[in-house]
Amino acid sequence: EPEVTQTPSHQVTQMGQEVILRCVPISNHLYFYWYRQILGQKVEFLVSFYNNEISEKSEIFDDQFSVERPDGSNFTLKIRSTKLEDSAMYFCASSWGLAGPVTSYNEQFFGPGTRLTVL
Amino acid sequence: AQSVAQPEDQVNVAEGNPLTVKCTYSVSGNPYLFWYVQYPNRGLQFLLKYITGDNLVKGSYGFEAEFNKSQTSFHLKKPSALVSDSALYFCAVRDTRSYNTDKLIFGTGTRLQVFP
Repeated sequence: EPEVTQTPSHQVTQMGQEVILRCVPISNHLYFYWYRQILGQKVEFLVSFYNNEISEKSEIFDDQFSVERPDGSNFTLKIRSTKLEDSAMYFCASSWGLAGPVTSYNEQFFGPGTRLTVL
Repeated sequence: AQSVAQPEDQVNVAEGNPLTVKCTYSVSGNPYLFWYVQYPNRGLQFLLKYITGDNLVKGSYGFEAEFNKSQTSFHLKKPSALVSDSALYFCAVRDTRSYNTDKLIFGTGTRLQVFP
């Protein structure tokens, strides 16, 4: 069964450093997402990406964050200058389409996550 | 504000007994509702969804959920719990204000513990 993969599984970095979190979505999917989960808190939407551009971003997704789909398979999240409060589990998700009554294959498939620890 | 509430941090149930994990939502318009399960060190795994149609939806691993519009609820159920069902369960709703994207709003999660 196809699945979303993420690397690395755990990233430790110093405050102020840049990090890139990598995701390989399911190959025929068209919509891509990043979510994060701070320890003990709910999963929060960060950004969605479709047709090589951001569809929507949350208030969390400020100028320090960027996303890219550089080669048609990878989907990356970059944090330019990490802060302590960026420590969280980051989940990538992908879907073939948008949820709706026409087709049943539009749920988001999530990767296993990257745990980011900022020291 | 659009939101999802899971009022129970943890649900304990004996193996073989029925289980219910509660979820209520608040969105404008018609809700698209989802349940995901998270096992240790794994990503969120899709269980089932309600988009339209029958209020009782069936999903993976014998789980089902009942959409109740008047109570704005979407409780997850299973007739007979298994120890292997022990995990963290998340209810989510699609943000109806989103255009051309399926931004999901998640609840805080409910930990299900099934005891032998």
